[in-house]
Amino acid sequence: EVQLVESGGGLVQPGGSLRLSCAASGFTFSTYWMYWVRQAPGKGLVWVSRINSDGSSTSYADSVKGRFTNSRDNAKNTLYLQMNSLRAEDTAVYYCAGVFKGTTWPNEALDYWGQGTLVTVSS
Amino acid sequence: QSVLTQPPSVSGAPGQRVTISCTGSSSNIGAGYDVHWYQQLPGTAPKLLIYGNSNRPSGVPDRFSGSKSGTSASLAITGLQAEDEADYYCQSYDSSLSGWMFGGGTKLTVL
Repeated sequence: EVQLVESGGGLVQPGGSLRLSCAASGFTFSTYWMYWVRQAPGKGLVWVSRINSDGSSTSYADSVKGRFTNSRDNAKNTLYLQMNSLRAEDTAVYYCAGVFKGTTWPNEALDYWGQGTLVTVSS
Repeated sequence: QSVLTQPPSVSGAPGQRVTISCTGSSSNIGAGYDVHWYQQLPGTAPKLLIYGNSNRPSGVPDRFSGSKSGTSASLAITGLQAEDEADYYCQSYDSSLSGWMFGGGTKLTVL
């Protein structure tokens, strides 16, 4: 059974840092391109970042560029999102998601999703 | 303001057909990039419903269909069922923003 389990969310003060993890199982993680997508409370989905299968290439939304770092450890089947200089507007549920193999760049769809982890940025 | 525009809400009675539109521009849908659709049931993660404009992943009922024309795409749901009540999102790549965009989402209410 395919599973993506996010962890690391919580309450952090503005300007603080947090590292999210996404543990993958049930599929060959090292061959999948992975995304982070976030959803503010009561709002829609927003793409945050994308990483290729070996971690050598990353992309970021303008809103997080320079503050967030997407990385992966294929030996540990784990995806990470290091979030620095956090702002109130970063408050959201963060999902990790895997690219559907039936699609290719840049027409990538996401078919494996975790349950999400909530990040709250507040003083 | 989303780059991809969806109606905030649609509704229909059980058994009816509803459509949800996703309007983009010449830098995303109009540029030929594929549109994907997701269903998000309350309190759960999104689920891929349609990929590549009109293809259904294994396990998605054929009541769900997608189409694309020009700078817009549509999701159609026929034989509406109570369990279809959810939020629906379109997604595509935008070349001017160099990133992947989601529509603002459409809440489907089954009357």
